[in-house]
Amino acid sequence: SAVISQKPSRDICQRGTSLTIQCQVDSQVTMMFWYRQQPGQSLTLIATANQGSEATYESGFVIDKFPISRPNLTFSTLTVSNMSPEDSSIYLCSVDSRDGTGNTIYFGEGSWLTVV
Amino acid sequence: GEDVEQSLFLSVREGDSSVINCTYTDSSSTYLYWYKQEPGAGLQLLTYIFSNMDMKQDQRLTVLLNKKDKHLSLRIADTQTGDSAIYFCAGADPGFQKLVFGTGTRLLVSP
Repeated sequence: SAVISQKPSRDICQRGTSLTIQCQVDSQVTMMFWYRQQPGQSLTLIATANQGSEATYESGFVIDKFPISRPNLTFSTLTVSNMSPEDSSIYLCSVDSRDGTGNTIYFGEGSWLTVV
Repeated sequence: GEDVEQSLFLSVREGDSSVINCTYTDSSSTYLYWYKQEPGAGLQLLTYIFSNMDMKQDQRLTVLLNKKDKHLSLRIADTQTGDSAIYFCAGADPGFQKLVFGTGTRLLVSP
């Protein structure tokens, strides 16, 4: 299994500011994913981050709003830019860990952001 | 694209079995997953099933997959109060492992 650490775990942010969320994995993984979970909702994929290439964004998400870095095989960051209250969500990092028994996809504990 | 549906709420008594259902539209999903989310926590991977399997059992958990009907279920035997949480099913996009999540089922286990 993969152990995923996210920072910060929680934060209260001012409208108009930006916040960078870090995701650290205890093993090298090819694919990392960032999801958003709005209050009371299910999860929606923001983007896929592969090391050495630009992130691939899903419909409705753009790089200017959610810039992503993937400098190596164990680390990624997601920035939520120019935040508004609508950005209040849980942001979750996920990895695809191919462990020989199949493709298992693990999640971090999430970063709970409240924008005021 | 994939669309995944779940019933929103399930209430059971402690010791009973719980069955959480999920329907999906994209038959090309290679893996189907079940996750548990407790209040204030992230997602915990419970189990997954490969699309060429009909059933998978893991301790108290049994996953059934009916590919013809595109129906997935998670049975929890001897449900405990600690099983109270939101359960999400998710299908994986072939090759890319992007997950499409269901709406989540809130399981409430009463003593």
